[in-house]
Amino acid sequence: ELKVEQNPLFLSMQEGKNYTIYCNYSTTSDRLYWYRQDPGKSLESLFVLLSNGAVKQEGRLMASLDTKARLSTLHITAAVHDLSATYFCAVDEGGGADGLTFGKGTHLIIQP
Amino acid sequence: KAGVTQTPRYLIKTRGQQVTLSCSPISGHRSVSWYQQTPGQGLQFLFEYFSETQRNKGNFPGRFSGRQFSNSRSEMNVSTLELGDSALYLCASSSMILSVGELFFGEGSRLTVL
Repeated sequence: ELKVEQNPLFLSMQEGKNYTIYCNYSTTSDRLYWYRQDPGKSLESLFVLLSNGAVKQEGRLMASLDTKARLSTLHITAAVHDLSATYFCAVDEGGGADGLTFGKGTHLIIQP
Repeated sequence: KAGVTQTPRYLIKTRGQQVTLSCSPISGHRSVSWYQQTPGQGLQFLFEYFSETQRNKGNFPGRFSGRQFSNSRSEMNVSTLELGDSALYLCASSSMILSVGELFFGEGSRLTVL
């Protein structure tokens, strides 16, 4: 059974700081997704990582994938309050047999 | 370009009743998948449809079912509702089969079972 673990699950940080969210998964996969969810809202796709070594950046967020280590990171640079949200990583085991398996999410609060 | 539309957004049912939720995918998307989100279990895959065929199903009892129509719109049904079925039900569409494509999620249908 595929397991996806995110850490930390809760993070409170100040604006201007840098931080990294980690996503570990338990099986071989080269397809990993990052989503953002605001309170009471749906999931917004942030990044799609489809190969080992993939790195994508959008604004203050950068995501990377190391399939050998079964690890993805979401790095936040110079955080701003608007980035406060819950961030999920999700893994596709391949072939879509079980849909996407999501981590429990990282609840991020960025304080001014 | 319109996004994924789910109806109804909110509904309240009592135990034993059944419910039908609807999802209209992004125009041109043929894959629709459903997820259940609860505080305890997080996001869990229910099923995926592509071209009117159910491709795969998550670990949910037979009370959970779905279908997809020729215009790619999808419905899911939950019969004999239980308190534990209270959740946010999210529909997602993709232009490709789930294993390859990026998913675009709707706003969800929040079901409360009393």
